[in-house]
Amino acid sequence: EAGVAQSPRYKIIEKRQSVAFWCNPISGHATLYWYQQILGQGPKLLIQFQNNGVVDDSQLPKDRFSAERLKGVDSTLKIQPAKLEDSAVYLCASSSLAGVGLEQFFGPGTRLTVL
Amino acid sequence: QKEVEQDPGPLSVPEGAIVSLNCTYSNSAFQYFMWYRQYSRKGPELLMYTYSSGNKEDGRFTAQVDKSSKYISLFIRDSQPSDSATYLCAPGGYQKVTFGTGTKLQVIP
Repeated sequence: EAGVAQSPRYKIIEKRQSVAFWCNPISGHATLYWYQQILGQGPKLLIQFQNNGVVDDSQLPKDRFSAERLKGVDSTLKIQPAKLEDSAVYLCASSSLAGVGLEQFFGPGTRLTVL
Repeated sequence: QKEVEQDPGPLSVPEGAIVSLNCTYSNSAFQYFMWYRQYSRKGPELLMYTYSSGNKEDGRFTAQVDKSSKYISLFIRDSQPSDSATYLCAPGGYQKVTFGTGTKLQVIP
């Protein structure tokens, strides 16, 4: 079974520039998550999708961050414009609705550096 | 007060030692208690989970939950260098968890 794919793996941008991250979840997983993990901290949920719909985006800084999930499969997360404090690893995860849906499967993450 | 508090470490132990990792949480609604392991430059992976209070054992790993004191523990017996990673407690509910800050563990051969 293929895992969660993310690209790019690394990105360096100047502040005020835009950046986009892509995620392809495990086939058949209805739920998709985007997390932000700042160095030395645990992952913080930015947005949770179930199929095409948004379940939770309460911690997404909507003035600069946006996310979409096309056809309930792939997802993109965009930052526009980026700030220095956005430097972090952006993790995508997916989970199945089967069972209790406990296990989230994570991708390798995209490491963003904002200069 | 943060919803989940975890000792950040780092923790350095000799190979073969027993390791104790701990978290406290404040949300009484949490029903499931997960532990994720994260190797350097990788995404977290689920190690084990428990439901409600009690112990659960899986090989060298034992997860313990005390809901009355809102305390979560993970014990690693006979620790190995391959256990060197960051351990994240993640209490929560159906399809949603809150991660602790993680404890970085190094097992010295």
